[in-house]
Amino acid sequence: QKEVEQDPGPLSVPEGAIVSLNCTYSNSAFQYFMWYRQYSRKGPELLMYTYSSGNKEDGRFTAQVDKSSKYISLFIRDSQPSDSATYLCAMRYNAGNMLTFGGGTRLMVKP
Amino acid sequence: DVKVTQSSRYLVKRTGEKVFLECVQDMDHENMFWYRQDPGLGLRLIYFSYDVKMKEKGDIPEGYSVSREKKERFSLILESASTNQTSMYLCASRPRGREYDSPLHFGNGTRLTVT
Repeated sequence: QKEVEQDPGPLSVPEGAIVSLNCTYSNSAFQYFMWYRQYSRKGPELLMYTYSSGNKEDGRFTAQVDKSSKYISLFIRDSQPSDSATYLCAMRYNAGNMLTFGGGTRLMVKP
Repeated sequence: DVKVTQSSRYLVKRTGEKVFLECVQDMDHENMFWYRQDPGLGLRLIYFSYDVKMKEKGDIPEGYSVSREKKERFSLILESASTNQTSMYLCASRPRGREYDSPLHFGNGTRLTVT
């Protein structure tokens, strides 16, 4: 079993929809949680960062961490075609260098 | 803006060849990383370096080596390429510090095909 599981998709939604992207993980020691966005033919870029449990909001994006369920989510409100990308969750135990990535979910937002 | 440049976008090599993947960053970052990205498997860390001439193995170092002779340049070497090393290779860098303050900056990747 992989440490971090993510549905690969593709997830196809109409413009304006609310999107929910999720990851589950097996190791309760993870404390730092990130979402990276990767456009086609580009490297990933950091989108959201949270520490421990709770919610964090940034514009149309909300990251949610439920450590008791070992489940993290990224919500995108009023989705736009420009949100079409692969979304990778990532996490690590402490402030060290090693990140564990999920496999990524491909999102397509149709106009 | 931080720029991480990977020398080749696409490479095609034959089995058994020695392959060099080059990465250069222009922001004086201490830490540099090599990942490979495969469908469904996400990004897996091959090697990283936290300073010149320093290197640490990641999760999947077998079949790879690295070189960091200068702070801005981090090379990934496939000593004898094999077909199971066909993949997208991503280089990244970041300065010392916490992830929040210093996220990974990725290059655009090198798609390597070994035939």
